[in-house]
Amino acid sequence: KAGVTQTPRYLIKTRGQQVTLSCSPISGHRSVSWYQQTPGQGLQFLFEYFSETQRNKGNFPGRFSGRQFSNSRSEMNVSTLELGDSALYLCASSLRGGPTYQETQYFGPGTRLLVL
Amino acid sequence: KNEVEQSPQNLTAQEGEFITINCSYSVGISALHWLQQHPGGGIVSLFMLSSGKKKHGRLIATINIQEKHSSLHITASHPRDSAVYICAVSPNTGNQFYFGTGTSLTVIP
Repeated sequence: KAGVTQTPRYLIKTRGQQVTLSCSPISGHRSVSWYQQTPGQGLQFLFEYFSETQRNKGNFPGRFSGRQFSNSRSEMNVSTLELGDSALYLCASSLRGGPTYQETQYFGPGTRLLVL
Repeated sequence: KNEVEQSPQNLTAQEGEFITINCSYSVGISALHWLQQHPGGGIVSLFMLSSGKKKHGRLIATINIQEKHSSLHITASHPRDSAVYICAVSPNTGNQFYFGTGTSLTVIP
């Protein structure tokens, strides 16, 4: 079974631009979660999608948004990029997910975003 | 305020040593996860625990729900165990997923 895939793997943008990252979950997984990892803040939860609906959301500004398609693939979008948005963005999938996360999460390799 | 605290932050061990990484949390949880992150960024989920103890090969994870504490043990450590180990908790209320800051482990041959 193919693992979680993320595209692109690396991205360079400038301040003020917007960016869209993509995540394809493991076949059959319906929950996709997104995380931001920076050296200063570590790993932080962005949001979780299930059946095309955002079910959970972390403490990030509205510039961070996402969506999920009927095939469970998910995209996240960051508008008006700031230097502090430079980070590794990881997605993870699981069968059902949910707010209590009592399932193993399978992580993708991440997208490394650099904002100049 | 950090909901999840890990110790130590950094750990260097000789090959073959027994290693313990600790995780304490301050919220009620439904599950605790131990994750492993290698250089380059890839994260692998090692364990998900809601009670007791789990073992996988040379790795053992325990949790004490009453004391809000979990430990990850590595027996007979090997250089390939060198990685960052991250503790994460799923609170039983709310919509967050809290992470510890990670323990960077280096195992020297």
